[in-house]
Order: sequence, then C-alpha cells, then structure tokens
Amino acid sequence: DGGITQSPKYLFRKEGQNVTLSCEQNLNHDAMYWYRQDPGQGLRLIYYSQIVNDFQKGDIAEGYSVSREKKESFPLTVTSAQKNPTAFYLCASTLTGAGNTIYFGEGSWLTVV
Amino acid sequence: ELKVEQNPLFLSMQEGKNYTIYCNYSTTSDRLYWYRQDPGKSLESLFVLLSNGAVKQEGRLMASLDTKARLSTLHITAAVHDLSATYFCAAANAGGTSYGKLTFGQGTILTVHP
Repeated sequence: DGGITQSPKYLFRKEGQNVTLSCEQNLNHDAMYWYRQDPGQGLRLIYYSQIVNDFQKGDIAEGYSVSREKKESFPLTVTSAQKNPTAFYLCASTLTGAGNTIYFGEGSWLTVV
Repeated sequence: ELKVEQNPLFLSMQEGKNYTIYCNYSTTSDRLYWYRQDPGKSLESLFVLLSNGAVKQEGRLMASLDTKARLSTLHITAAVHDLSATYFCAAANAGGTSYGKLTFGQGTILTVHP
C-alpha cells in the first residue's frame, strides 16, 4: 500500500545527543515536509523539500537539520542545539499542484530524558 | 505573515445537535485545508478548498470557504460520538509554489456526548 512511513514511533533522547527521525514515502511525491506539534497546539513547519538535493527552512528550523538524497526519503535530525525537542513530529508529502491532498505520516514521539 | 485562528478552541456538543467551527486567516490565501486528529494519532485529511464559495460535504461534515472574508467554516450536522476529535484548519500563502507549506490554526477539541 502507498503511504508515508515514519520511524521510530517513540524515541527517547538524552541531553546533548543528536537523533534522527526517518520518513519514507512510496507515493512518488515530489515535495516532503517536517512539522512539529506540541501538546494542545497546531503544527509548525520545520523544513521542507520540493526536489531532491534541495530543501528550505520553515518557521522553526533552528536546532534541526535535514537531507534529501533520494526522492522517497527525507530524514530529520534533531541536534543538541534544539533546546526543547520534546514533541510529536509529523512528516508530510504531496504532489506539486494546488489541489492535491497533503498526506501525513503516523508521527514520531520524541522525549528528552 | 499568515496567521490562522480557530474558534471555538473547545466544543462540547450533545449528540444530534448542529454546530460550526470557524477558521479566520489574516492574509490572502488560495488554499484552505481541514484535518481531523484523534488523540496520539496523525492527521486525516477532510477537505481541500480552493476557491471562493467552495463548499464540500462528507457525511455529517460540510466545509465552506469565503476568500473575501478570509473565513472558512466546518459545519457539523446531527453530531455523533464518533466525531469526537481535534479539528484543524490550515491555510497556504496565495501564489506559493510549495504546496505543503501550511500555517495551522490552534485546533478545536470537539467532544460529543449523549
């Protein structure tokens, strides 16, 4: 079945560690996105990529990094510079074109211990 | 800067009643999305509204868009318990070519009780 797969679903990070969240899609979508959701709040855009080997910062990119080496993959690294990383992280993808649905993965919960 | 505001933020409804969730956005947008989120889960796409006057319906939910008023509504008809969830609206900057670059509202937590 086509879809977006995020892993791991739950992740614990120690202070000072970098962690990487995986996002893979088999929908042949060109564009991929990372959003962060804090409890009781809406989503905020971290990074996005519209083509392979290119990506742009979103509204809250500080402390995060991404890569887009393959069309189907868009991993997010939460670095030690991100001071408050505990959140729910959602990956999304879409075809280019205004009327297309934007699909979201199942999300990854990151907790700092 | 595009800002999106929803109201109410909390909505407690009785089964069988009707209600509307409002979504206001601050600058011109040419796409408005509605999503549903169950606790601890991802977002499920409900509607994509692209033009002024657009109206879409699915089951007990109906969404509309008024681009002149910068307002979208999600109307719930004869609510049932299964509709209990958090509902988000999200808007995109007009003319933008990054189609998944959205600004989300705070979400409306809907609880339907007997």
